[in-house]
Amino acid sequence: SAVISQKPSRDICQRGTSLTIQCQVDSQVTMMFWYRQQPGQSLTLIATANQGSEATYESGFVIDKFPISRPNLTFSTLTVSNMSPEDSSIYLCSVARSSEETQYFGPGTRLLVL
Amino acid sequence: QKEVEQNSGPLSVPEGAIASLNCTYSDRGSQSFFWYRQYSGKSPELIMSIYSNGDKEDGRFTAQLNKASQYVSLLIRDSQPSDSATYLCAVMLDNYGQNFVFGPGTRLSVLP
Repeated sequence: SAVISQKPSRDICQRGTSLTIQCQVDSQVTMMFWYRQQPGQSLTLIATANQGSEATYESGFVIDKFPISRPNLTFSTLTVSNMSPEDSSIYLCSVARSSEETQYFGPGTRLLVL
Repeated sequence: QKEVEQNSGPLSVPEGAIASLNCTYSDRGSQSFFWYRQYSGKSPELIMSIYSNGDKEDGRFTAQLNKASQYVSLLIRDSQPSDSATYLCAVMLDNYGQNFVFGPGTRLSVLP
């Protein structure tokens, strides 16, 4: 497994602003992912954070709205830009190693946009 | 469209009974399957993984996989109130890196 932390754990933001969420892992991992979980819904993959290159975004998600960085093998950030109330959700970071197929999830960031 | 479906909930079972959670997937090439448990307000926690046809048991949990029917299930024996949570089925798609597709989840309530 892996010990994963996310900051902030929750935030309340105003419409039109941006929030950067950090994900830190206690050891090097191959893959890092960002998911969104809207109230009462399942998980939707936003993008795969690639170390040293641009993230790979899923259909419906774009870099201008959700810029992602991954400067090394233990850290990634997701920014939610120009927020609207529809962005209110839980944002989850997950990690995986090439030696195992399992993904492990961080505690999540609860975002409320007013 | 790569889809993962789960039986609609909520599912209520009495304490001590067997809870049966079902999942079907559309991509026949899928090779790896996972069950996550998510308590309200918490992040998903892996409880079972299964890769081969048949049954895999871990304590009170048994995962069952039938690739021909594109079906995976999770049985929880001797259900406890602490098992009350949402159970998410996740499928790793063939040739999709390590990306998962998650089902919508089934909420389980175990009644004392």
